[in-house]
Amino acid sequence: QSVLTQPPSASGTPGQRVTISCSGSSSNIGSNAVNWYQQLPGTAPKLLIYTNTQRPSGVPDRFSGSKSGTSASLAISGLQYEDEADYYCAAWDDSLHGLVFGGGTEVTVL
Amino acid sequence: QVQLVESGGGLVKPGGSLRLSCAASGFSFSDYYMSWIRQAPGKGLEWVSHIANSRSSTIYYADSVKGRFTISRDNAKNSLYLQLNSLRAADTAVYYCAREIPYSSGVPLDSWGRGTLVTVSS
Repeated sequence: QSVLTQPPSASGTPGQRVTISCSGSSSNIGSNAVNWYQQLPGTAPKLLIYTNTQRPSGVPDRFSGSKSGTSASLAISGLQYEDEADYYCAAWDDSLHGLVFGGGTEVTVL
Repeated sequence: QVQLVESGGGLVKPGGSLRLSCAASGFSFSDYYMSWIRQAPGKGLEWVSHIANSRSSTIYYADSVKGRFTISRDNAKNSLYLQLNSLRAADTAVYYCAREIPYSSGVPLDSWGRGTLVTVSS
């Protein structure tokens, strides 16, 4: 059971917009920034969004993040086949004194 | 460019020990906080431990490994380590080392190694 809650799967057709939610509590998302990672099959995770809304250099602007209260969301607009991957949210937890991850959401492009 | 290369994984019996290493290059290693994250086969990501840069002695561990695993670093050798003791089957995973973006809230990990597989089995 992960500290942060994500839906296990999401899907869409090419060009659609897909949104992934991440729900936490006051000790993690409510107090700290949220980061999102993309993990393509068989590869190491890659930072996709940091500090709630920031994109590292090289990440397409089709990816966007938001946060409100104890929840956060990742949106993928203009979905492409290359976006098929697992997506994880993460945040520091002040009560656990550790980094906590969501269980991951598998995105499928139909 | 930034490169992180893990090594030291392998097959070990329950109760055994292993030492993982992560060789860093392409950046000023001593300036960065570093983390270990693991991923059990077919499962999600789990943070293991985090160590501060040369200006701080802060170290944190996940409850699942506290008292059994020890994180350390050698800035002169640009290397990060994870000593794994009293290993259990549940510790079987790919172990990644990762670099943290400095001065950013939430411990964002902007560079990851390819990982090293630890298998605990009799």
